[in-house]
Amino acid sequence: DAKTTQPPSMDCAEGRAANLPCNHSTISGNEYVYWYRQIHSQGPQYIIHGLKNNETNEMASLIITEDRKSSTLILPHATLRDTAVYYCIVRGKAAGNKLTFGGGTRVLVKP
Amino acid sequence: GAGVSQSPSNKVTEKGKDVELRCDPISGHTALYWYRQRLGQGLEFLIYFQGNSAPDKSGLPSDRFSAERTGESVSTLTIQRTQQEDSAVYLCASSLTSGGGYAGELFFGEGSRLTVL
Repeated sequence: DAKTTQPPSMDCAEGRAANLPCNHSTISGNEYVYWYRQIHSQGPQYIIHGLKNNETNEMASLIITEDRKSSTLILPHATLRDTAVYYCIVRGKAAGNKLTFGGGTRVLVKP
Repeated sequence: GAGVSQSPSNKVTEKGKDVELRCDPISGHTALYWYRQRLGQGLEFLIYFQGNSAPDKSGLPSDRFSAERTGESVSTLTIQRTQQEDSAVYLCASSLTSGGGYAGELFFGEGSRLTVL
């Protein structure tokens, strides 16, 4: 699976949008971009995934650049409960392709 | 419950003892994964089961680690002769697999925290 690069940490003000960048310059054509987050002392939680097009769900939006070498996860209105480590992962969709977690971005939402 | 269930949630053992950790995946999920997370670290892949296929054991750190899965249900991760470096949270995840072999998102349990004294 392609390696991803994320900033180790970032702060965000409560109620503001949080924009989390991810670089994946070696992504291949059949690999998806997945985002998971891990709130302290809990198992990771799926957020969103995409291939080429931008995606939005009830939790977040995913913006993927046209060349697919980077993406941004957007939490539109960050709350204190969004404080977590956010992992950007690229992975082929075939079932045998395991998620490979990097260091992630530790996001602290401040009041 | 509808989620992935793991037991025990906490286990304290003495060095050299064997431990068994259990995972009940979401009903109908054919794919099951085990990960390890040491304190302050990221997740390390251990093993992957898919239906009746041979498991992918490429992440098991040593021959003291083994795992079994009965059909498409419960899985047990066994660590023999535990060492202090085995102390970690062991996380299990499951996912649906379509007829085309594509996996949906992984659903994780809350983990089993193992402390080896």
